[in-house]
Amino acid sequence: QSALTQPASASASPGQSITISCTGTSSDVGGYNYVSWYQQYPGKAPKLMIYEVTYRPSGVSNRFSGSKSGNTASLTISGLQAEDEADYYCSSYTSTSTLVVFGGGTKLTVL
Amino acid sequence: QVTLKESGPALVKPTQTLTLTCSLSGFSLSTSGMRVSWIRQPPGKALEWLARIDWDDDKFYSTSLKTRLTISKDTSKNQVVLTMTNVDPVDTATYYCARIKWGYYFDNWGQGILVTVSS
Repeated sequence: QSALTQPASASASPGQSITISCTGTSSDVGGYNYVSWYQQYPGKAPKLMIYEVTYRPSGVSNRFSGSKSGNTASLTISGLQAEDEADYYCSSYTSTSTLVVFGGGTKLTVL
Repeated sequence: QVTLKESGPALVKPTQTLTLTCSLSGFSLSTSGMRVSWIRQPPGKALEWLARIDWDDDKFYSTSLKTRLTISKDTSKNQVVLTMTNVDPVDTATYYCARIKWGYYFDNWGQGILVTVSS
């Protein structure tokens, strides 16, 4: 069982927006602005999409955005495209001795 | 261009020790502020953080695997090595090395190496 909780699946139609949640505790998501999001295609390595809650690395589409409220972080993808169909993982620093925790992943389907 | 590449055995037997190497390019682990982590992903399952090593040789481990893991670096070869003792079939996974930044995010990942534990 992963330390951070994500919905197992999500779906939406092309052009729509979708938000994926990532719920933790005050020891991780809620306590620090060290939440990041990764996109992973089957058989490929994860790719950084959002870091430190809201920042987008160079080269990542501005259709991707991040936010946080309390112990829950969110990834929003606007103007969904077929290429956005992938698994998405959240991650956070944790003040427990483990240091970094991941969510269980969300499989996004673009209908 | 920053790249990382994992290498090691594809198959190990239960109870053996697994040794994986991460070769770094485009940055040096001897440079102040640089850090590298290992992360694994069992087939069809989520990512799991394993360990981190810093430029100054500070080391951090997953609480659940701490007794079985050792992370080290060879700055002359610009490599990071992860050893895992007493492997079990549940350790079957794709193992990734990744550069980890100050904000605890992984900005560059290796391609991963699938390691199967089976007799």
